[in-house]
Amino acid sequence: DTEVTQTPKHLVMGMTNKKSLKCEQHMGHRAMYWYKQKAKKPPELMFVYSYEKLSINESVPSRFSPECPNSSLLNLHLHALQPEDSALYLCASSQPGGSSYNEQFFGPGTRLTVL
Amino acid sequence: KQEVTQIPAALSVPEGENLVLNCSFTDSAIYNLQWFRQDPGKGLTSLLLIQSSQREQTSGRLNASLDKSSGRSTLYIAASQPGDSATYLCAVRPRMDSNYQLIWGAGTKLIIKP
Repeated sequence: DTEVTQTPKHLVMGMTNKKSLKCEQHMGHRAMYWYKQKAKKPPELMFVYSYEKLSINESVPSRFSPECPNSSLLNLHLHALQPEDSALYLCASSQPGGSSYNEQFFGPGTRLTVL
Repeated sequence: KQEVTQIPAALSVPEGENLVLNCSFTDSAIYNLQWFRQDPGKGLTSLLLIQSSQREQTSGRLNASLDKSSGRSTLYIAASQPGDSATYLCAVRPRMDSNYQLIWGAGTKLIIKP
């Protein structure tokens, strides 16, 4: 099974709302990622968890708060977002560490619209 | 600093043609290179991963090559079909301490005309 699942598929929220995005994988991967993708651009890395610990935070504003409850789940908590945060949010997973075998697998994404 | 370039940005060909998409990178110190497909508004599907020690990988009608010395990879699509229409992205994993990063090309938007 090479599937990464994400919920919800679509999310519309106001600037004062609190919401969460969820990601799950059952490939036994120990590295999980959040990316943000704007239209017609490649994905931008936001966060990386390795062995359930935050490994990389690419200077993401604190209104985005990641959480990795266990090795299969990854959440992204959203609070007080801005309209410019509207984008496709992608989750990915891979084996951790540097290796030529490490392949990243992506989920279908959550289309977020901030009003 | 590693940079990845994909040319052309868009390509339109008639159904049935064989075609080649190009990806170039500036630093040969990489772990691997991945080719992805993305349909509009959807997630990314990994098509092929080529390890740094490999020259090519094949999956069905797709064949990806890697020439580290020249900093180039190509994705060959045989007998193209309308269902192949999508944006194709290549990404390299640099061989460096921060080894989780993928460096992305901007993508090639492919349209296969019936």
